[in-house]
Amino acid sequence: DIQMTQSPASLSASLGETVTIECRASEDIYNGLAWYQQKPGKSPQLLIYNANSLHTGVPSRFSGSGSGTQYSLKINSLQSEDVASYFCQQYYDYLTFGSGTKLEIK
Amino acid sequence: EVQLVESGGGLVKPGSSLKLSCVASGFTFSSYGMHWIRQAPKKGLEWIALIYYDSSNKYYADSVKGRFTISRDNSKNTLYLEMNSLRSEDTAMYYCAKTGSAGYYFDYWGQGVMVTVSS
Repeated sequence: DIQMTQSPASLSASLGETVTIECRASEDIYNGLAWYQQKPGKSPQLLIYNANSLHTGVPSRFSGSGSGTQYSLKINSLQSEDVASYFCQQYYDYLTFGSGTKLEIK
Repeated sequence: EVQLVESGGGLVKPGSSLKLSCVASGFTFSSYGMHWIRQAPKKGLEWIALIYYDSSNKYYADSVKGRFTISRDNSKNTLYLEMNSLRSEDTAMYYCAKTGSAGYYFDYWGQGVMVTVSS
């Protein structure tokens, strides 16, 4: 099974800052990677698929990049509504999630 | 607008059974694979089952294989998860989700239904 190692586990940043969350796969997943945002008490929402494609309606301050085993989610100009947990998910071989990153405002 | 609405959760005793439903609207349900994903309290996400658009293939996580059965009724736009031999470790929020158009990611999720397994 492909393991997804996500870092950091938690993150505190100021409004307007840029933050980056990373996921490392245990083997090459050939850009089969998605990112999700889960606000407190809500279901997850898709942000990015195929490593760098923005889902419909997602603000352009969210972006994804990476290849091979290393992927990242970048949030530019952090806003208060971005407080959430973020999860990566690989779908190259079966379906596995990273352990999540909890983002708070400093 | 895509909507997925789960139901059927509740409090049950270990060893018992439960059947979850997920009613879909806003897209052509019969054209997409569908999934069940769960999240234990304060924990991460775990994919547990996938069914193809035409029910021709079904896949399960090892943690539920042999105990859970995914099915669908395309005439009713409804996805199901039959759960047998429930254990305390099955306690979680259960989400149904639609397969994305470009891969096996989840582009829309339901609001979730809570299943609690406790004596």
